[in-house]
Amino acid sequence: DAGVIQSPRHEVTEMGQEVTLRCKPISGHNSLFWYRQTMMRGLELLIYFNNNVPIDDSGMPEDRFSAKMPNASFSTLKIQPSEPRDSAVYFCASRPSGTMNTEAFFGQGTRLTVV
Amino acid sequence: ILNVEQSPQSLHVQEGDSTNFTCSFPSSNFYALHWYRWETAKSPEALFVMTLNGDEKKKGRISATLNTKEGYSYLYIKGSQPEDSATYLCARPLAGKLIFGQGTTLQVKP
Repeated sequence: DAGVIQSPRHEVTEMGQEVTLRCKPISGHNSLFWYRQTMMRGLELLIYFNNNVPIDDSGMPEDRFSAKMPNASFSTLKIQPSEPRDSAVYFCASRPSGTMNTEAFFGQGTRLTVV
Repeated sequence: ILNVEQSPQSLHVQEGDSTNFTCSFPSSNFYALHWYRWETAKSPEALFVMTLNGDEKKKGRISATLNTKEGYSYLYIKGSQPEDSATYLCARPLAGKLIFGQGTTLQVKP
C-alpha cells in the first residue's frame, strides 16, 4: 500500500477563495482523521470519521470548514471562504478502528498558504 | 480537549548525550498510549503503542516506559545523534480519536 495520500502538497490561494484538500486513506482503514498543525496549538484534531460517517467534528474551527467522506477511499476538507489565518499544514491520517492499540498513519500533509 | 501534556517543550543536547522526556495523561479510562516521531517537513510516524502498566518498549536507542496508575510515560534516547532531532509526540486514544500532546522538540548538536 502506498500509505495515506494527500493532495495537493502545497496550495497558495487568495483570501476569499475556496480551497479543497484531498485524502486517500490506507485501504482497509475505516477511521480517518483531519488534523491541522499550527505553531500555537500543535497538532489539532479537526474531524474524525468512522466507516465514512463523521463522528466528531467539534474541532472544526467554524462554518467555513466542512469535510466529507463519500466513500471508504476518499475524503475532502473544504474551506470556503479561506482566510489568511487558515494558513497551516493540514494532515490526514487513517487507522483501523475497533482497537486502541493500532497506530495512526499520516499523509505527507498539505501546506496551505492564504494570502 | 488537550488532556495530554508533554515536557519539556524543547530540548537541546549534544551528540552522545542521553535524554528523556515526559508525557502525562489522565490515569482514568486508560486504553493505550502512543508515541510518534515527527521530523521537520515530514509526517508523524509511530514509534510505540503501549497498553499495559509497566510496559517497556525499545527500538534501537529509543525506549519508552509506561505507568498507567500515575498517568505518565517516559521516552528515553540513549546516545543522541543529530538524526534524532525531531518533535516527539505522545497521543491518547479517546472515543476513537487520537488526542496529541504539544510535543517535545529535540535538537541534537553535532
